[in-house]
Amino acid sequence: KQEVTQIPAALSVPEGENLVLNCSFTDSAIYNLQWFRQDPGKGLTSLLLIQSSQREQTSGRLNASLDKSSGRSTLYIAASQPGDSATYLCAASSNTGKLIFGQGTTLQVKP
Amino acid sequence: ETGVTQTPRHLVMGMTNKKSLKCEQHLGHNAMYWYKQSAKKPLELMFVYSLEERVENNSVPSRFSPECPNSSHLFLHLHTLQPEDSALYLCASSQGVGQAKNIQYFGAGTRLSVL
Repeated sequence: KQEVTQIPAALSVPEGENLVLNCSFTDSAIYNLQWFRQDPGKGLTSLLLIQSSQREQTSGRLNASLDKSSGRSTLYIAASQPGDSATYLCAASSNTGKLIFGQGTTLQVKP
Repeated sequence: ETGVTQTPRHLVMGMTNKKSLKCEQHLGHNAMYWYKQSAKKPLELMFVYSLEERVENNSVPSRFSPECPNSSHLFLHLHTLQPEDSALYLCASSQGVGQAKNIQYFGAGTRLSVL
């Protein structure tokens, strides 16, 4: 049974810092791995999707990596801004499209 | 705006009430999903519909009854709920299921409180 874990649960950094969010999964037979952002009281917004054959994806200041053999993914945020404050969720997808989510990392970027 | 709209945004109901949650997607997708997000727990997949047919029921109690009349609409009918069913219920849609490039687009959710 796939289990997804995110560390840390919460993170507070000053504006401008580069930071890394971690995601680990127990079953390496994933179809893809996705990172989402969730603002308070809102739904999820997809940030990056890494297919199982890829090692990383980049979008603006965000870079996500995937290491299937070690069961790990990281989300790197460069030059953090207060607007980046949100909860970040990673989810591993099976070949049926079922997403297994981690509990998320709540990020606060202080001005 | 993700193209997935959920109504109502907030719902308070008693344990004997019957209510329905609605989800509508304007993205031309063929797959729709219901998720439950409880406090301090990961999102849990409840149901998956592909081309209006249920393809996954993730051991959800029968007091939750999904309905997918067409590929653009998804309902979750609620009856005889328990206080522990209070949560944020999220709907999502995607082009299909089982595809490596399958991004799910989420609605803003319905915050449900069962008294």
